[in-house]
Amino acid sequence: DQQVKQNSPSLSVQEGRISILNCDYTNSMFDYFLWYKKYPAEGPTFLISISSIKDKNEDGRFTVFLNKSAKHLSLHIVPSQPGDSAVYFCAADHTGTASKLTFGTGTRLQVTL
Amino acid sequence: DSGVTQTPKHLITATGQRVTLRCSPRSGDLSVYWYQQSLDQGLQFLIQYYNGEERAKGNILERFSAQQFPDLHSELNLSSLELGDSALYFCASSSTQVHEKLFFGSGTQLSVL
Repeated sequence: DQQVKQNSPSLSVQEGRISILNCDYTNSMFDYFLWYKKYPAEGPTFLISISSIKDKNEDGRFTVFLNKSAKHLSLHIVPSQPGDSAVYFCAADHTGTASKLTFGTGTRLQVTL
Repeated sequence: DSGVTQTPKHLITATGQRVTLRCSPRSGDLSVYWYQQSLDQGLQFLIQYYNGEERAKGNILERFSAQQFPDLHSELNLSSLELGDSALYFCASSSTQVHEKLFFGSGTQLSVL
């Protein structure tokens, strides 16, 4: 039962353009969402998060949008840079449960010159 | 550098064998999590320890066990290994109990031949 889904395994974007990574979830109890970035041979690193009381959170070039009614969130990277090439994982949390994050399968982003 | 140390980085073993993966959390972090990433899979939560006690359990097989020691380092024991256990095993640590921001180690790549 995949409660967090990233349906695009890969995405290629030109440098300077916008990258949009999508994530869908099925569990309506999730109330906090995170994005992690992973480079090869490294562990995932936290990128940005959003609480379900918000619909947008911005941090520099990274913005996460949350659409609770559609159970959908997206990560926008503007402008995309070659160093952004990595695997991006969406994760979800449910306050009040034993703390554990549920991760999606990841989207590999390649930013080309 | 996340501050989370995992050893060994690579492990090659045979079916039926037993291995131990080790994790040292960030200084001061009381929670340790273990995740498994198989090919084309997301990060699957295995188990969480908080200050030496098991806090949450995910999809961890009975052949797998873990513990957290008084110095807060953790070990994941995998026994009666099967080919399907080949995966990347991540350890993560955190200091907060609400809306966890996890800090991941670089993982142990286990290959069962």
